[in-house]
Amino acid sequence: KQEVTQIPAALSVPEGENLVLNCSFTDSAIYNLQWFRQDPGKGLTSLLLIQSSQREQTSGRLNASLDKSSGRSTLYIAASQPGDSATYLCAVRPVAGNQFYFGTGTSLTVIP
Amino acid sequence: GAGVSQSPSNKVTEKGKDVELRCDPISGHTALYWYRQSLGQGLEFLIYFQGNSAPDKSGLPSDRFSAERTGGSVSTLTIQRTQQEDSAVYLCASTSGGAVSGNTIYFGEGSWLTVV
Repeated sequence: KQEVTQIPAALSVPEGENLVLNCSFTDSAIYNLQWFRQDPGKGLTSLLLIQSSQREQTSGRLNASLDKSSGRSTLYIAASQPGDSATYLCAVRPVAGNQFYFGTGTSLTVIP
Repeated sequence: GAGVSQSPSNKVTEKGKDVELRCDPISGHTALYWYRQSLGQGLEFLIYFQGNSAPDKSGLPSDRFSAERTGGSVSTLTIQRTQQEDSAVYLCASTSGGAVSGNTIYFGEGSWLTVV
């Protein structure tokens, strides 16, 4: 069974700092990996999707990388802002089965 | 519609009552998922619908839980004889392709269920 781990569970940084969130997964046989943002009391918003054949994806201040062979992904946030405060989750779509497997998330607080 | 729509947004029910949660996916999306998110826990897969294929019910926690999808669009998740441990956020998501298409998955805002 695929297991997804996110470290750290919580992170607090001053505004303007660059930061990295980590995601690891146990089974490298995946179709894709997605990073999501979840604000309190809200659903999940997709940030970036990386196909298994890709190494990275970029959107604005966000850059996600994927090293499928080692079962790792990182989400890099440049020049963090208070509005970036949220919980960030990663999810993998394994080749076997129908579901996405989610990590438990990293709760990010950006201090003004 | 513009996004995945779920109703009710909040539901408080007494233990032992039945509840129905509704999901209206993005128009044209053939794949639909239900997940559950308990306080402080990760997302737990419940059920997956793809087109006219038989649903993958492997994540349903007990026979009190059931779901259907009518006409390949709207889905209803039913919980019978609710228990306090059913209290959670129930999230619905849809995507345009099958599970292997690699398309972005879109989530609704969730239905917050509290069983008292």
